[in-house]
Amino acid sequence: EVQLVESGGDLVQPGGSLRLSCEASGFTFSSYWMYWVRQAPGKGLVWVSRINSDGSITSYADSVKGRFTISRDNAKNTLYLQMNGLRAEDTAVYYCARDRIVVVSNTLDMWGQGTMVTVSS
Amino acid sequence: QSVLTQPPSASGTPGQRVTISCSGSSSNIGSNTVNWYQHLPGTAPKLLIYSNNQRPSGVPDRFSGSKSGTSASLAISGLQSEDEADYYCAAWDDSLNALFGGGTKLTVL
Repeated sequence: EVQLVESGGDLVQPGGSLRLSCEASGFTFSSYWMYWVRQAPGKGLVWVSRINSDGSITSYADSVKGRFTISRDNAKNTLYLQMNGLRAEDTAVYYCARDRIVVVSNTLDMWGQGTMVTVSS
Repeated sequence: QSVLTQPPSASGTPGQRVTISCSGSSSNIGSNTVNWYQHLPGTAPKLLIYSNNQRPSGVPDRFSGSKSGTSASLAISGLQSEDEADYYCAAWDDSLNALFGGGTKLTVL
């Protein structure tokens, strides 16, 4: 069964850091582009970042550029999101997701259940 | 304010056909394909339509998508109670960002 399981969400103070993880199973993780998408309370889905299959290409939404870093460990079938300089507006459920095909299509066909990040003092 | 514009809400009665629109620009919908996602709060979003009008396996043919110029639409025919959810359009933008619409909350009356 194809599965993505996020972890690492927590309550953190403004300016703090957090690392999210997304463990993949049931497919060849090292072949796919992977994504982070977030949803703030009461708001819609927002793309955060993406990374190619070997980790050499990354891109970010302007709102997180310079503060967040996406990475992956293909030996551990795990995707990461290192979040620094957290702000209240980063409060959201963070989802990891997989591209539908091994060549990038920006079509997310498999999603995790999400992990909640709350930034508050 | 999302770059891709959707109506915040839509509704219909069981069996009815409803459509949800998504309006963008030449740098996103106008030059890239559109995907649609269904999202029930507290669950993982689900890919409903990709490449403007393609259905992943397992998605009923009651769901269909179309695109014309800088706009796209999702149509749901034979509306069922389990279709009540949030629906999002999405497209890549030539500014190197992936975009989602603001979402449309579908209510089955």
